[in-house]
Amino acid sequence: KAGVTQTPRYLIKTRGQQVTLSCSPISGHRSVSWYQQTPGQGLQFLFEYFSETQRNKGNFPGRFSGRQFSNSRSEMNVSTLELGDSALYLCASSPNTGGRETQYFGPGTRLLVL
Amino acid sequence: DAKTTQPPSMDCAEGRAANLPCNHSTISGNEYVYWYRQIHSQGPQYIIHGLKNNETNEMASLIITEDRKSSTLILPHATLRDTAVYYCIVKGNEKLTFGTGTRLTIIP
Repeated sequence: KAGVTQTPRYLIKTRGQQVTLSCSPISGHRSVSWYQQTPGQGLQFLFEYFSETQRNKGNFPGRFSGRQFSNSRSEMNVSTLELGDSALYLCASSPNTGGRETQYFGPGTRLLVL
Repeated sequence: DAKTTQPPSMDCAEGRAANLPCNHSTISGNEYVYWYRQIHSQGPQYIIHGLKNNETNEMASLIITEDRKSSTLILPHATLRDTAVYYCIVKGNEKLTFGTGTRLTIIP
């Protein structure tokens, strides 16, 4: 099976702009989670989507949003970009939601905000 | 906050077994121990997980103590490609919570 794919892999934006990142989960996986990784804060959970519904949400401002489509593909959007949003954004998928499900990560999208 | 404690860094000679410890003294009965690794700037790679029994797969072995308060990830024959940050995570029904992990360096 193909792994989790994320597009684009690299992105440069300027402050105040918005950005949309895309994630295609492993075929058959219905849960998609998003994480932000920065040198200062490490890997932090953003949100999880399952069956097109947000199931869990991390401690991030409302500028960070996401959605999931009927084919389980997911997008996350960051509006009004700030310099501190520069990070590696990671997507992970699992067959279902819940504690017994192993998450598999994609390669990430590296976002640089200037 | 992460529920695990790991040494910040370790070295291991190439070809030897790498033993990475993890303390999770507050683990609950329904929580699993997961191990991931992250090679520089790549997405975390799943290695192995377990509940209370020892587990082995093609990548590694996971030894969980009987009281489940600690575990050890064993890479049986470390290669240079195993140089990475290794994360031990205790996971129940909620999200993965990553700590700072152990930076493992394989020495030629």
